[in-house]
Parts: sequence; C-alpha cells; structure tokens
Amino acid sequence: DTAVSQTPKYLVTQMGNDKSIKCEQNLGHDTMYWYKQDSKKFLKIMFSYNNKELIINETVPNRFSPKSPDKAHLNLHINSLELGDSAVYFCASSQDLVRGREQYFGPGTRLTVT
Amino acid sequence: DAKTTQPPSMDCAEGRAANLPCNHSTISGNEYVYWYRQIHSQGPQYIIHGLKNNETNEMASLIITEDRKSSTLILPHATLRDTAVYYCIVRAPTGANNLFFGTGTRLTVIP
Repeated sequence: DTAVSQTPKYLVTQMGNDKSIKCEQNLGHDTMYWYKQDSKKFLKIMFSYNNKELIINETVPNRFSPKSPDKAHLNLHINSLELGDSAVYFCASSQDLVRGREQYFGPGTRLTVT
Repeated sequence: DAKTTQPPSMDCAEGRAANLPCNHSTISGNEYVYWYRQIHSQGPQYIIHGLKNNETNEMASLIITEDRKSSTLILPHATLRDTAVYYCIVRAPTGANNLFFGTGTRLTVIP
C-alpha cells in the first residue's frame, strides 16, 4: 500500500490554464505539506495543513490554492499557469505538527508548462 | 535553524561503508541533526536524526561529534540502491515542522 500518493504523476499543460494536483495519505496523519522542487533541484516548502487548517503559507503566489477536504487529502490548485511553475511538486505528511516529526513524501508530480 | 555544509558529491564502492559528512558549526544546544535522502525521481525519505548521542537504526548510523559542530551519516554496507542525494538538516525543536533542504551530497555507489 502506498502511504502518500499523488495524481497525476506527470502533467503537461499550456500557459494560462488551470490545473489541480491531488494528494492522499493513508497513514492517519494530521499534517500534510506541499513542496516544490525546481529545475536546480532545490526543494522548498509551499504550504502545510494541520487537521484541514492552513498552518504555513510560504511566499507563494496566490495563484496557488491548497484545499484540504479532509485530513487524508490535500490538493493543490494552480490558476493561470506560468512557465516558471514548471517543477516537481511533492506532497508529504507527518503524524502531527510537532517539529521534527518524520515526514513521508509522495512520489511527486512533474508539471511542465509550455 | 543552523546552516549546514556538505560536499557536493561522493563515490562509494558497493558493499563498503559510505561515510557522509556534514558540518554545522553554528548549531545551537537544542537543535537536532536530521538526514533525509532523495533517490532519483522519488520523494525524499527520512533516514535518521539525533541530538548529541550517536544513533543507529535499520538504515544507517549517525555519529555526532562531542562539540556537535559536525556529524557523519554512515551507511554500513552501501548498495546500488543507496545512490541518492543525501540531505543533512539542522532544526530546532520549536517552530513549524517545515523542512528546509540545502543542496545535499550526491552519493554514487559504484559496482
């Protein structure tokens, strides 16, 4: 069983489109995250949610809107896609908000904006 | 969180121990050392963490110097599947649980 899953694995779309990436965890964790890994392989936190509530919102354009319908899901919706949004997006989860809790990552979604 | 410095790349022969160093000379007394790795095209994976005592689990050992200014991650018998980028992260126990990844060390295990 996959602990943290993401769909789709690959996403190719044109500038200006709106797209969503879905994430699900079956670990019973309270906290979920979105990270972005750019072309230079730097991995940066975007958002974190705890029990469906937004906890962290790093400096991310408001075209990015996370949504958590329940504790097990954290989706990422992106409006008006730009070339610079091309990256690999990783979802992760941890048991709770306690700092240092091990985070479990999904396999990533490679987004290519043309 | 304290800054960390790691060599950009290392090679290790299959079956031998891989010793990955990390310098964190500005570490504070309450900051932990964490190691994650990222195998190509996969999400990062937690390996181990420690405060000041040496730690060992089924994946690796973590040796932290007495002054805590540096540490070494040891993979005792490296396999080809251990080829990955290894990240050393220093974190205080308070604050948000977001991870900040640096550039890490690219370990290549050679047959």
